[in-house]
Amino acid sequence: EVRLLESGGGLVQPGGSLRLSCEASGFTLDIYAMTWVRQAQGGGMEWVSSISSSGGNTYYADSVKGRFTISRDNSRNTLYLEMNSLRAADTALYFCAKAPYVGNSAFDYWGQGTLVTVSS
Amino acid sequence: EIVMTQSPATLSVSPGERATLSCRASQSVHSYLAWYQQKPGQAPRLLIYGASTRATGIPARFSGSGSGTEFTLTITSLQSEDFAIYYCQQYDDWAPYTFGQGTKLEIK
Repeated sequence: EVRLLESGGGLVQPGGSLRLSCEASGFTLDIYAMTWVRQAQGGGMEWVSSISSSGGNTYYADSVKGRFTISRDNSRNTLYLEMNSLRAADTALYFCAKAPYVGNSAFDYWGQGTLVTVSS
Repeated sequence: EIVMTQSPATLSVSPGERATLSCRASQSVHSYLAWYQQKPGQAPRLLIYGASTRATGIPARFSGSGSGTEFTLTITSLQSEDFAIYYCQQYDDWAPYTFGQGTKLEIK
């Protein structure tokens, strides 16, 4: 059974940092692209970042470019999102999701999310 | 960036009846359109990709249609477990991938 389990969320002050993790099981991580999507209170879904299966190619939404870094450790079956210079607007539930490849591919499995709250 | 617009925002339908949800793209996304179902506290679930192909394990009562800028998700013979929020997403002109704002399907 495919499972994605996010962790690392929490309450952080504006300007602070967090590192999210997404542990994968039930499939071979290193042949799939991975993505982070966030959902703010009120429901809107926003794509945040994607990474190719090897980790050699990364992509970011303009709203997080230069502040967030996506990475993966295929040997640990884990995806990461390093978030710096956090803002109130980054407050959201963060999901990781898998896809066959980056690009013209839907996200076929998602985790349940980890909540990030940016507030003083 | 392609803007996805879903309608209606809320749809009230009785169990056993049919629900029709709409999604419009601000420019053509060809058939690179997915539908997801989300229930409170649960992971979003892929229902439809390629505008009309059901994902693994999705019941036949879910069907998708359309291409270009107009898309429809139809759920026939609604079951209690189908009441949820549904999102469309384009993955044609990706980076960014974009989602609609969602349609809440509620029990009438």
